[in-house]
Amino acid sequence: GQGVEQPDNLMSVEGTFARVNCTYSTSGFNGLSWYQQREGHAPVFLSYVVLDGLKDSGHFSTFLSRSNGYSYLLLTELQIKDSASYLCAVSKPNYNVLYFGSGTKLTVEP
Amino acid sequence: GGIITQTPKFLIGQEGQKLTLKCQQNFNHDTMYWYRQDSGKGLRLIYYSITENDLQKGDLSEGYDASREKKSSFSLTVTSAQKNEMAVFLCASSPGTGNSGNTLYFGEGSRLIVV
Repeated sequence: GQGVEQPDNLMSVEGTFARVNCTYSTSGFNGLSWYQQREGHAPVFLSYVVLDGLKDSGHFSTFLSRSNGYSYLLLTELQIKDSASYLCAVSKPNYNVLYFGSGTKLTVEP
Repeated sequence: GGIITQTPKFLIGQEGQKLTLKCQQNFNHDTMYWYRQDSGKGLRLIYYSITENDLQKGDLSEGYDASREKKSSFSLTVTSAQKNEMAVFLCASSPGTGNSGNTLYFGEGSRLIVV
């Protein structure tokens, strides 16, 4: 919603990887953030990207293509505890406001 | 570190009732937010405030009032509770834009139940 789209669900296997996609079509763009939200808990900040390309932060990496309105969050060496919802949020030139996607629920199976 | 505390964790009210959710933060952040989270939908902004006594409407402000009487607290009032607005209400605060963009720190949420 709000011009930020994510797939609802994603499944992967422990020890492998998962790529959570996000596309946006907002008017104005000042950066994109990723949050993790476990069931019944608050969203927690993971990463922020504003420049095109891949940003490697170890277990989590993020990619951004501004010309395509596309980002992904890459989780490597998956663990069962990585099962959570991952929210993508776009910042507009009004820095104060973030526009969130509906989140992707990642399930990591043994 | 700091913490954001939302009260109550569960708020039960009757249809048509005025109900208030409270949020306190000890980060000393200037900006605070109220978001609503419905199942299967993204977080939608109801109100935000960039400083004490400031109020800015979000996309979902109709049917809600907010109050920022102190820097550390931000309350949200549902003016007339309806059954279709049973959702989780998330409060957040932010230090403003820095190297990590505008990073939001969220409370654990308050679930509204309308009977």
